[in-house]
Amino acid sequence: DTAVSQTPKYLVTQMGNDKSIKCEQNLGHDTMYWYKQDSKKFLKIMFSYNNKELIINETVPNRFSPKSPDKAHLNLHINSLELGDSAVYFCASNPSLGTGELFFGEGSRLTVL
Amino acid sequence: DQQVKQNSPSLSVQEGRISILNCDYTNSMFDYFLWYKKYPAEGPTFLISISSIKDKNEDGRFTVFLNKSAKHLSLHIVPSQPGDSAVYFCAASGSNDYKLSFGAGTTVTVRA
Repeated sequence: DTAVSQTPKYLVTQMGNDKSIKCEQNLGHDTMYWYKQDSKKFLKIMFSYNNKELIINETVPNRFSPKSPDKAHLNLHINSLELGDSAVYFCASNPSLGTGELFFGEGSRLTVL
Repeated sequence: DQQVKQNSPSLSVQEGRISILNCDYTNSMFDYFLWYKKYPAEGPTFLISISSIKDKNEDGRFTVFLNKSAKHLSLHIVPSQPGDSAVYFCAASGSNDYKLSFGAGTTVTVRA
């Protein structure tokens, strides 16, 4: 039973489209994150939610909109996709804010053509 | 501006020998450091951590060393096994910081 699951795992789409990536965790954690791994392989934080409340919003274009309907889910919606959005997006969770160890999903590889 | 740097993108080591992975950081407010391991097409998984009050933490074959004055940490894997072949990420955070900053990773290949 996967602890942090993301869908879809692969996504290929055209520039200008809108797409969503979904994330669910069954660990009972309070905090969830979205990280982006770009072509240089760095993992960079995008957003963090704690108990459905937005805590971290790193200078991410407002085309990216996270939504947390409950503390077990954190979805990422991206409007007007651009070539530079191509990356692997990882969802993660940890028990509470400030607890260092993150549990990651398998990643969602987004390719924008 | 990358605050966590792993300057060796890859490392090849013979099975049974020691693997040493290095990580440097620039932010003096970092006080908690972690190593993650990642296999292809999977998410990173937590391996070992160390807080700034320690200079060494050991878990089985894995040992992390922290040199705060040099802002440097290293991960030792002894002995290296083929299943250790993966990408290893160094990460760090500060007490008042709710996010982890990651390095770019080091790809370890253990040769049989």
